[in-house]
Amino acid sequence: ETGVTQTPRHLVMGMTNKKSLKCEQHLGHNAMYWYKQSAKKPLELMFVYNFKEQTENNSVPSRFSPECPNSSHLFLHLHTLQPEDSALYLCASSPGTGLYTGELFFGEGSRLTVL
Amino acid sequence: TQLLEQSPQFLSIQEGENLTVYCNSSSVFSSLQWYRQEPGEGPVLLVTVVTGGEVKKLKRLTFQFGDARKDSSLHITAAQPGDTGLYLCAGAWPQGGSEKLVFGKGTKLTVNP
Repeated sequence: ETGVTQTPRHLVMGMTNKKSLKCEQHLGHNAMYWYKQSAKKPLELMFVYNFKEQTENNSVPSRFSPECPNSSHLFLHLHTLQPEDSALYLCASSPGTGLYTGELFFGEGSRLTVL
Repeated sequence: TQLLEQSPQFLSIQEGENLTVYCNSSSVFSSLQWYRQEPGEGPVLLVTVVTGGEVKKLKRLTFQFGDARKDSSLHITAAQPGDTGLYLCAGAWPQGGSEKLVFGKGTKLTVNP
């Protein structure tokens, strides 16, 4: 596989469920990101990891919990979400060690629906 | 807070027409990127512009960065159905020894055959 792969592509969960989104990049990049894409709003940065270390948490509620076990894998653990959390969650990677250096490579996204 | 305004929000045109979409801000950016996001996919980078007044061409797409590095435009000549998608601009500005990236809401383009 190449590029950035996200699973699952679609997820429906109740407000009391616990689920996880997974992202894997095969590009040898050092930085990985979680973004939230909602209708009528700009892409919102949630978390940034550089070399497995979290370098930014953009005031994200604690019901979203990221995990980066190595520089190729990124998870987003979901717990007691709200209906307004329904959105497309995009994972991205970039080659640089800075917050943003050059191009972001995005996965196809995980479409989350919270009932 | 850095904001990027994109216009129009929606654009529906016929195949073969020309179009221009805009990305404006009151802030000066160190660089600006354009992405295209097709339905069911993640955004894909089209171009990065860095220098004020810079013009870049990618086949039928022409990108321009404003002289003051506060705005940008994307012009598509003879649009084709394959150009359909959400066009996002993203501006980068220096912050704390690194750079921060902010996205606009996007222009949703539909090209009808």
